[in-house]
Amino acid sequence: DAGVIQSPRHEVTEMGQEVTLRCKPISGHNSLFWYRQTMMRGLELLIYFNNNVPIDDSGMPEDRFSAKMPNASFSTLKIQPSEPRDSAVYFCASSFLAGGLYGTDTQYFGPGTRLTVL
Amino acid sequence: AQSVTQLDSHVSVSEGTPVLLRCNYSSSYSPSLFWYVQHPNKGLQLLLKYTSAATLVKGINGFEAEFKKSETSFHLTKPSAHMSDAAEYFCVVSGGSNYKLTFGKGTLLTVNP
Repeated sequence: DAGVIQSPRHEVTEMGQEVTLRCKPISGHNSLFWYRQTMMRGLELLIYFNNNVPIDDSGMPEDRFSAKMPNASFSTLKIQPSEPRDSAVYFCASSFLAGGLYGTDTQYFGPGTRLTVL
Repeated sequence: AQSVTQLDSHVSVSEGTPVLLRCNYSSSYSPSLFWYVQHPNKGLQLLLKYTSAATLVKGINGFEAEFKKSETSFHLTKPSAHMSDAAEYFCVVSGGSNYKLTFGKGTLLTVNP
């Protein structure tokens, strides 16, 4: 298996521009997570999808952030407009939660997208 | 509620000597516990996990961790450090039926030749 695939690996943009991050989860997994990692705050869960449905978006910072999962093999995280404080590494992770919405199992992380907003 | 405390932000060892990375947790439920490793500019890789089976858990690359309920600890060890072990290590807890992972702040392991 190729693991979780994220693109782009690096993104440099200017403040005010739209940024779209992409994720392909591991085939057969039913859960997908977006995280943000910064030095100050560590790893934070932004949003959790189960069977392509957003279950918990309480970690999404503000309305500038949006995430979609149109099918089981693809998800996007969009920031519009971007700001310098959005600079971080964004990780996508996937898992198979056998216990339905609220099970617990290993999450497999992608390599991350390093976003720099100038 | 759940939380995890990694007691050392930085550990430095010599190659060939033992590694000990300390982690204490708090959880209202029977926890699942994980150790992840992150090499520079890489994603997080699972080292090992505990899910209420054997208290001594063996992971990849010679690492192991012991779950001690009485001490609420889940320390990570390796008998002999290798240069390639230099990375940041995260202790992670997931409690009960909660999908949310709570990450520790990480321990940076340096391995000196």
